[in-house]
Amino acid sequence: NAGVMQNPRHLVRRRGQEARLRCSPMKGHSHVYWYRQLPEEGLKFMVYLQKENIIDESGMPKERFSAEFPKEGPSILRIQQVVRGDSAAYFCASSLRPGTGGVQPQHFGDGTRLSIL
Amino acid sequence: QKEVEQNSGPLSVPEGAIASLNCTYSDRGSQSFFWYRQYSGKSPELIMFIYSNGDKEDGRFTAQLNKASQYVSLLIRDSQPSDSATYLCAVNNYGGSQGNLIFGKGTKLSVKP
Repeated sequence: NAGVMQNPRHLVRRRGQEARLRCSPMKGHSHVYWYRQLPEEGLKFMVYLQKENIIDESGMPKERFSAEFPKEGPSILRIQQVVRGDSAAYFCASSLRPGTGGVQPQHFGDGTRLSIL
Repeated sequence: QKEVEQNSGPLSVPEGAIASLNCTYSDRGSQSFFWYRQYSGKSPELIMFIYSNGDKEDGRFTAQLNKASQYVSLLIRDSQPSDSATYLCAVNNYGGSQGNLIFGKGTKLSVKP
């Protein structure tokens, strides 16, 4: 499967625990984006990364949330000390490098459904 | 605050009819416009994108963009029950994919057999 791969598909955590969400971009894509979707709400941008570099984290809460995209391995969205309000679907998208030629749309993974008990 | 507005629906059309989905955006600097389809509990799936004024057709789908009116629409011809889903409009301020997409809340479409 050459699409965007996210795991786990479902994650259950108790309040105060840590949640780690992983995303492997589509083959050939070097740009990764994380979005959060609350029930009955639209997708909200969180963070945009390239390999070893955070480009835009303007949508990510300043506390408890962090993201990385190391040289090797998947992108990781980390949520520390989770609270009930963190329950949502977290989607990762990837795209080709801008400037490759024309508009390069973002393609989404199947998401991780995070539930906080 | 940059916003993308969509009618939440549900929009109900009979099978074989044309479904018209509309979207307005607040930022005049927006350059690229995307339509995604999302089935319940699934990931957003790209249908089309458009960046020039006018119409862009792909099979049964036509995207229309009017930058002066800050308006983008998606027409689905010969609607099928399998088209029943939530349609998300997304806007980007860059010419390419760089940067984040601003999404509307989506319009729920129901195609009745």
